[in-house]
Amino acid sequence: SQTIHQWPATLVQPVGSPLSLECTVEGTSNPNLYWYRQAAGRGLQLLFYSVAIGQISSEVPQNLSASRPQDRQFILSSKKLLLSDSGFYLCAWSVSVGGGYTFGSGTRLTVV
Amino acid sequence: SQQGEEDPQALSIQEGENATMNCSYKTSINNLQWYRQNSGRGLVHLILIRSNEREKHSGRLRVTLDTSKKSSSLLITASRAADTASYFCATDLTGANNLFFGTGTRLTVIP
Repeated sequence: SQTIHQWPATLVQPVGSPLSLECTVEGTSNPNLYWYRQAAGRGLQLLFYSVAIGQISSEVPQNLSASRPQDRQFILSSKKLLLSDSGFYLCAWSVSVGGGYTFGSGTRLTVV
Repeated sequence: SQQGEEDPQALSIQEGENATMNCSYKTSINNLQWYRQNSGRGLVHLILIRSNEREKHSGRLRVTLDTSKKSSSLLITASRAADTASYFCATDLTGANNLFFGTGTRLTVIP
């Protein structure tokens, strides 16, 4: 069966420090991968998506970047975190572009 | 905004009652999906309804879609305390490469 792993669950980082959040999918090949951010009590904002290894599309200009070094691995990074980067980050995958998404359990990032 | 807009933003009902949440969107869609999110957790896919479908059922869930009004509703029948969560609609827009999520309805079911 397919599973998605996202870690860490919580993270407290100082302003200006780097960030690396990792997401891996098991049990499927060539998934579509997504990074979303959710502000407290708000909806989901798409940050990046990838339909193939090495291919990344960015939806919102920001302090973050994403990479897909392997087919089932999606990494969200920042060289220098800002206070405004705080939020709940969710990784998701889907078989097809318009199909249902399976989400990871999320990472609560607090930048202090 | 291309996002769906859920209505109401918050809903509080007694256990056993039915809960109805609505979603409106602005442009042509391929399908519309509903998700559930427990506090501090990831979203869970509940149901997908295609643009050529008008109604779909899954257990205690009933989803309707009216493409002429660009709206959908999610009905949870005989609610339980465990249904307490936020519910989001998401639209698969024609020509887009990702889903667009609304801001959600926070449902509280009182035991």
